[in-house]
Amino acid sequence: QQQVKQSPQSLIVQKGGISIINCAYENTAFDYFPWYQQFPGKGPALLIAIRPDVSEKKEGRFTISFNKSAKQFSLHIMDSQPGDSATYFCAASEDLQYNTDKLIFGTGTRLQVFP
Amino acid sequence: DAMVIQNPRYQVTQFGKPVTLSCSQTLNHNVMYWYQQKSSQAPKLLFHYYDKDFNNEADTPDNFQSRRPNTSFCFLDIRSPGLGDAAMYLCATSRGGLGLAATDTQYFGPGTRLTVL
Repeated sequence: QQQVKQSPQSLIVQKGGISIINCAYENTAFDYFPWYQQFPGKGPALLIAIRPDVSEKKEGRFTISFNKSAKQFSLHIMDSQPGDSATYFCAASEDLQYNTDKLIFGTGTRLQVFP
Repeated sequence: DAMVIQNPRYQVTQFGKPVTLSCSQTLNHNVMYWYQQKSSQAPKLLFHYYDKDFNNEADTPDNFQSRRPNTSFCFLDIRSPGLGDAAMYLCATSRGGLGLAATDTQYFGPGTRLTVL
């Protein structure tokens, strides 16, 4: 019940195309859903996040779509660029003691954008 | 720039030889986390500190210990590294204590890649 399932494992997209990564969860106690971007040799960096009270959030070329009833959420990268090539992790969090969050990560998607 | 710093970036140790990884932060955050990330896998939380309060994950092996001597520093000690402990170790921080409805963003360091020979 603690798992977050992520697909696909890898994704190849042409420059200018749309990249779509999907995640699903079981635990209805999760209340925060961030996406992290990780470049090789670097730590993950927060890209965009959503709470379950909204169905969509957009920041520039990045959009999260959230379906609470289906317990699914997805990341859409519009006009994908070679600089977007990285590993993307979805995550879900539940509240811990002291009002901090425990992140449960998906297994990651390696995105490659070719010119 | 405020940031999360990890030293060293690369660490090589021998099987069974204790090793200590270091994390420091200039964000003045209450919470510090240690994650283990094996190749092509998701980061897995080992433990976290809220201030001086230590919180261990149930499935973290006893071989892994941590110390937080002050707000800025946190150490990961691996008492007897095995070949299966080779991984990237990520430190993260968050402000904490913002309330249940608030978002407590975690900020990650660049990681220490541990090799066990």
